[in-house]
Amino acid sequence: RKEVEQDPGPFNVPEGATVAFNCTYSNSASQSFFWYRQDCRKEPKLLMSVYSSGNEDGRFTAQLNRASQYISLLIRDSKLSDSATYLCVVNLDTGRRALTFGSGTRLQVQP
Amino acid sequence: NAGVTQTPKFRILKIGQSMTLQCTQDMNHNYMYWYRQDPGMGLKLIYYSVGAGITDKGEVPNGYNVSRSTTEDFPLRLELAAPSQTSVYFCASSYSGRGQGEQFFGPGTRLTVL
Repeated sequence: RKEVEQDPGPFNVPEGATVAFNCTYSNSASQSFFWYRQDCRKEPKLLMSVYSSGNEDGRFTAQLNRASQYISLLIRDSKLSDSATYLCVVNLDTGRRALTFGSGTRLQVQP
Repeated sequence: NAGVTQTPKFRILKIGQSMTLQCTQDMNHNYMYWYRQDPGMGLKLIYYSVGAGITDKGEVPNGYNVSRSTTEDFPLRLELAAPSQTSVYFCASSYSGRGQGEQFFGPGTRLTVL
């Protein structure tokens, strides 16, 4: 079983739609959780951290369910510029702060 | 601040050749990392460093070596390149203090081994 699993997509949605991605992680001792965004042929960039209480940043909402070991990302009112790959990322070892990456979910927002 | 910079951007190697991928950060981060990303896959950790003079293996270290003589620089050495090392290589750094541990990535080096 992969340590971090995501549906690879692609998710093809029209502008203005709401889309949700889920991600599951295998290690219940995981400490920190993130969503990174990666544009085609570019480096990953932090989209948002995911807190136990859930958090929102504009059109983006992240949720963490520790009991079921999954993380979600909700994007409301999708824009063309949201088209990218979204990486679910988990920190399994706070000592070295090394991150474990999911393979990513590709989102294509269409006009 | 330039952030994390990597050179070269692209490189084609022949089987058996060697090269060094350069990585520099100007954010005074103690933690630095090397990842590789194969097409359609997540990033895999090759090596990491928690400070100058300290390095350790990650998930996929075979065929690579690193050094960390300064806080700013963390070069990755490929000895005897093999086709399996064809990948995109990302260097990253992070703050070592309290917090969630956001990592900042360089633009990547695309390496092809033929």
